[in-house]
Amino acid sequence: AQSVTQLGSHVSVSEGALVLLRCNYSSSVPPYLFWYVQYPNQGLQLLLKYTTGATLVKGINGFEAEFKKSETSFHLTKPSAHMSDAAEYFCAVSANQAGTALIFGKGTTLSVSS
Amino acid sequence: GAVVSQHPSRVICKSGTSVKIECRSLDFQATTMFWYRQFPKKSLMLMATSNEGSKATYEQGVEKDKFLINHASLTLSTLTVTSAHPEDSSFYICSARERVTGELFFGEGSRLTVL
Repeated sequence: AQSVTQLGSHVSVSEGALVLLRCNYSSSVPPYLFWYVQYPNQGLQLLLKYTTGATLVKGINGFEAEFKKSETSFHLTKPSAHMSDAAEYFCAVSANQAGTALIFGKGTTLSVSS
Repeated sequence: GAVVSQHPSRVICKSGTSVKIECRSLDFQATTMFWYRQFPKKSLMLMATSNEGSKATYEQGVEKDKFLINHASLTLSTLTVTSAHPEDSSFYICSARERVTGELFFGEGSRLTVL
């Protein structure tokens, strides 16, 4: 079984500051890990994903995440926040097996102030 | 990129009526589709997994007679909320797994409001 814990339901940063959103996972099998962003009343947009290979994954809009097996973590970072980054962010995990669903964390609301 | 279309995007219905939400993969075949429910300011809760041509597998606590899921073709899955009540009001999101690559794509969601 898989589960995801996102530490911090709400993160506030200033424009230009580092963004760090934390995600820890639990999985009985090697995981696939994902970060999605959701804007109000919209669907999910994939930011990045880890399946196999390089543990530092670069995504869209300047975001990146590092898979750390020893820490069971997949934290999302961005060096410099933009106002447009304000949104809800979800970390998700799935087993690396065909047909398995994504299991989502509770989400983190990112606020960016000028 | 691949597109998953949900229809309707918004629906308002009276209590006691049934509502059908469609999830279509527009330019790929999806052997597996997933239905999620999202409460306001909450995470996505997996409701069920549907495989083309077979019965859906429901997560624990999800009423299969309440939320009817049909996956009749490789490009279409439907969720029917039967005898809807105000507590069924929610944002429903589907996702489709591409048959060849296994990649997952999400629809834009359907907001159901039951009066």
